[in-house]
Amino acid sequence: DTAVSQTPKYLVTQMGNDKSIKCEQNLGHDTMYWYKQDSKKFLKIMFSYNNKELIINETVPNRFSPKSPDKAHLNLHINSLELGDSAVYFCASIGQGLGTQYFGPGTRLLVL
Amino acid sequence: KQEVTQIPAALSVPEGENLVLNCSFTDSAIYNLQWFRQDPGKGLTSLLLIQSSQREQTSGRLNASLDKSSGRSTLYIAASQPGDSATYLCASDSGGGADGLTFGKGTHLIIQP
Repeated sequence: DTAVSQTPKYLVTQMGNDKSIKCEQNLGHDTMYWYKQDSKKFLKIMFSYNNKELIINETVPNRFSPKSPDKAHLNLHINSLELGDSAVYFCASIGQGLGTQYFGPGTRLLVL
Repeated sequence: KQEVTQIPAALSVPEGENLVLNCSFTDSAIYNLQWFRQDPGKGLTSLLLIQSSQREQTSGRLNASLDKSSGRSTLYIAASQPGDSATYLCASDSGGGADGLTFGKGTHLIIQP
C-alpha cells in the first residue's frame, strides 16, 4: 500500500483557474506538509499542518490554501493560477517522535 | 534562517568508485539531518536520518556523518553502481517537525557503467 498518495499525478490548466491537489497518508501520522519543487529542482516548504495548527511559510501567496478534512488528508487549493505556479508539489507526513518524513510521488502542475 | 548548501552540484564517476557528497548548514541548532534520493520524475526516498545527538548512520553501502559544530554532513557511497545514479538531497529539521525540512539544491550523481 502506498504510504503517502497524491492526486492527480499531472495537472495542466489555464492561467486564472482554481485547482485542488489531494493528499492522503495511511501511516497514522500527525503532521503533514506541502512542498514546492521549482523548475531548478529546489524544494521548499510551503505549509505544515498538525492537529489543526497551520504554519505557513511567509513567502507563500495567499492564493494557496491548505485544507484538512481529517488527520489523514491535507489538500492544497490554489486560486487564480499563475504561470509561476508551474512546479511539482509534494505532500509529506511525519509521525510523533519519528524524524523521517515520508513523501508522496508529487503532482506536476503546468499552468498555460 | 537555516540555509543548506550541497557540493558538488553534479558529479560523474566510473562504476566501482567510492564517493563523498557534501552538505553544509548555517544553523547548528538542528533536530536531525536527513539524506534523500530523488530519481527523475519521481518522489523522494529517505536514505538516512541522523539525529542531532548522533555522529553517523549506516545503511548498506551508504554512510552519513554529522558534525553539528562545523555545520557539515557527508554522505559516503561505497562501491558505486549505475543504479546509484540519481539526485541526492540533504535536508535539515530545525523546528522539530513543525517547520518542515530545509533542503539543499542537491547533487546530481551519474555513475558511468
